[in-house]
Amino acid sequence: DGGITQSPKYLFRKEGQNVTLSCEQNLNHDAMYWYRQDPGQGLRLIYYSQIVNDFQKGDIAEGYSVSREKKESFPLTVTSAQKNPTAFYLCASSSGAGGSYNEQFFGPGTRLTVL
Amino acid sequence: AQSVTQPDIHITVSEGASLELRCNYSYGATPYLFWYVQSPGQGLQLLLKYFSGDTLVQGIKGFEAEFKRSQSSFNLRKPSVHWSDAAEYFCAVGNDYKLSFGAGTTVTVRA
Repeated sequence: DGGITQSPKYLFRKEGQNVTLSCEQNLNHDAMYWYRQDPGQGLRLIYYSQIVNDFQKGDIAEGYSVSREKKESFPLTVTSAQKNPTAFYLCASSSGAGGSYNEQFFGPGTRLTVL
Repeated sequence: AQSVTQPDIHITVSEGASLELRCNYSYGATPYLFWYVQSPGQGLQLLLKYFSGDTLVQGIKGFEAEFKRSQSSFNLRKPSVHWSDAAEYFCAVGNDYKLSFGAGTTVTVRA
């Protein structure tokens, strides 16, 4: 089955530690995205990538980093510089061709809690 | 910059009753508009989308939405709600490969 996988589903981190969230897709999509979801705020874009080896900052990139070395993978690192990292993180992908009217397919999410 | 407003934070509806969720957008050109649904602790699923043509759009699970340019709105409707429709619903506008989401509307279905 084609889709997006995110791991782990739940993640706990101590303050001051970096942590990496995994996102893998087998949909052969060019574009991939990372969103942060907080109660009452909808989804906010952290980073996105339209093609391998290229990515752009979204609206709330501070304290986060990404890489896009393979088409199917787009890991997100939450660094110790992120002041309030506890949130639900969603990864998405789209075919990219034709721009933003293509559906974004979402993974099941990772809930990160900082202790 | 584009933005999306969902005026209703929470709606409670009886099973079998009709449902309408409001969405207003701010965008200079013809927008690409989407409605997504999210069950608790899950990812988002696309219900429907609009980018041109007929302003009444049919989606999955019996949902439809109507694009009204004069009101900058893209309201979602369902004639008869089922208990399984209890979820959070997000309206989004697309521009340049990115989506901007509203804050969401939580729908509770009572028996």
